[in-house]
Amino acid sequence: DAGVIQSPRHEVTEMGQEVTLRCKPISGHDYLFWYRQTMMRGLELLIYFNNNVPIDDSGMPEDRFSAKMPNASFSTLKIQPSEPRDSAVYFCASRRTGGGQPQHFGDGTRLSIL
Amino acid sequence: DQQVKQNSPSLSVQEGRISILNCDYTNSMFDYFLWYKKYPAEGPTFLISISSIKDKNEDGRFTVFLNKSAKHLSLHIVPSQPGDSAVYFCAATVSGNTGKLIFGQGTTLQVKP
Repeated sequence: DAGVIQSPRHEVTEMGQEVTLRCKPISGHDYLFWYRQTMMRGLELLIYFNNNVPIDDSGMPEDRFSAKMPNASFSTLKIQPSEPRDSAVYFCASRRTGGGQPQHFGDGTRLSIL
Repeated sequence: DQQVKQNSPSLSVQEGRISILNCDYTNSMFDYFLWYKKYPAEGPTFLISISSIKDKNEDGRFTVFLNKSAKHLSLHIVPSQPGDSAVYFCAATVSGNTGKLIFGQGTTLQVKP
């Protein structure tokens, strides 16, 4: 089974640029989650979708961040404009419906904003 | 307001011995607890879980114990192997089946040969 696929694995860009992170969840999974990991705050949930519909975006830091899930096999997290404090590792995860079903994570995108 | 806490940032054990990783929580509405392992430059990998109605779950070398009265769970790895060296995250889900995970800060385990 293919796991969660994220692209790019690394992104280095200058402050003010638009950044788009991409995620392909595991086929058949109906939940998709976006996380950010930093040394200071650990793993933070940014937003999650159920059946392509955003359910909880309370973790999105500010209006510069947006996420979409146009279909069951693709999601994007966009930062516009990017700032140095957005530098972090961003993970995408997916899971099936069902009590105790675990989330399965991609290998992340390491984002550096100069 | 940290609902899931891993108070030990790091742990070092000798190969072949037992590793015990601890986790405390505050929210009585958590219905499942999960452990994830994370290697550098990789995403967290699911290891083992336990329902809040159970007190023990075992899978090979990994056993998770849940003490609801103390709001405490632990992961036992026996015997520990050098390949187990990683960051271990405790996580919990709130009942209601959203699948939203609340993570602890992680414990770095080093298993010495």
